[in-house]
Amino acid sequence: GNSVTQMEGPVTLSEEAFLTINCTYTATGYPSLFWYVQYPGEGLQLLLKATKADDKGSNKGFEATYRKETTSFHLEKGSVQVSDSAVYFCALFYGNKLVFGAGTILRVKS
Amino acid sequence: NAGVTQTPKFRVLKTGQSMTLLCAQDMNHEYMYWYRQDPGMGLRLIHYSVGEGTTAKGEVPDGYNVSRLKKQNFLLGLESAAPSQTSVYFCASRPPGRNGNTIYFGEGSWLTVV
Repeated sequence: GNSVTQMEGPVTLSEEAFLTINCTYTATGYPSLFWYVQYPGEGLQLLLKATKADDKGSNKGFEATYRKETTSFHLEKGSVQVSDSAVYFCALFYGNKLVFGAGTILRVKS
Repeated sequence: NAGVTQTPKFRVLKTGQSMTLLCAQDMNHEYMYWYRQDPGMGLRLIHYSVGEGTTAKGEVPDGYNVSRLKKQNFLLGLESAAPSQTSVYFCASRPPGRNGNTIYFGEGSWLTVV
């Protein structure tokens, strides 16, 4: 079946550090891939997406590239801020359903 | 713009009680979903609907029932609540299309079963 695996957290970084959150997927076809962010006490917000191989999604300084050969969609940001502290979810969409990873908690210290 | 609205936002139930969560969307979307979110497990699909009058099971359907009598509403019912159903519940909707890139989420409903 379709599944998403993302790195366990929490990830703790200092402000302005480089961020990578790994995400790999297993899918029977060619899914669309997403990163969602959830700030404390809030719902999910779409952060970025990619719908086919080699697409790069980007938003608010975050980037992720759809790598079909490694079945990966790693999230990166060059310089994190305290306001980026949240839970990040990698997800794939296939067959009318959105499948989520377990989520990675990011904590950024000033 | 209301988008996807969930009610209630917070609820405490006693074991064995029943309740219904309501999800309403004003975007005329065909597809609607109910997820539950638990620590360390991400969001898991409970049930979903591909159109008015249709429902289908997701990954964790046991203990829940759903109905989609009107296109804009998707109800999630707990007939006999159990502590294992303590969770945050999210509803989502989207229009038809292959890429799933227009999925809208509600703000969540926090349910505690004691």
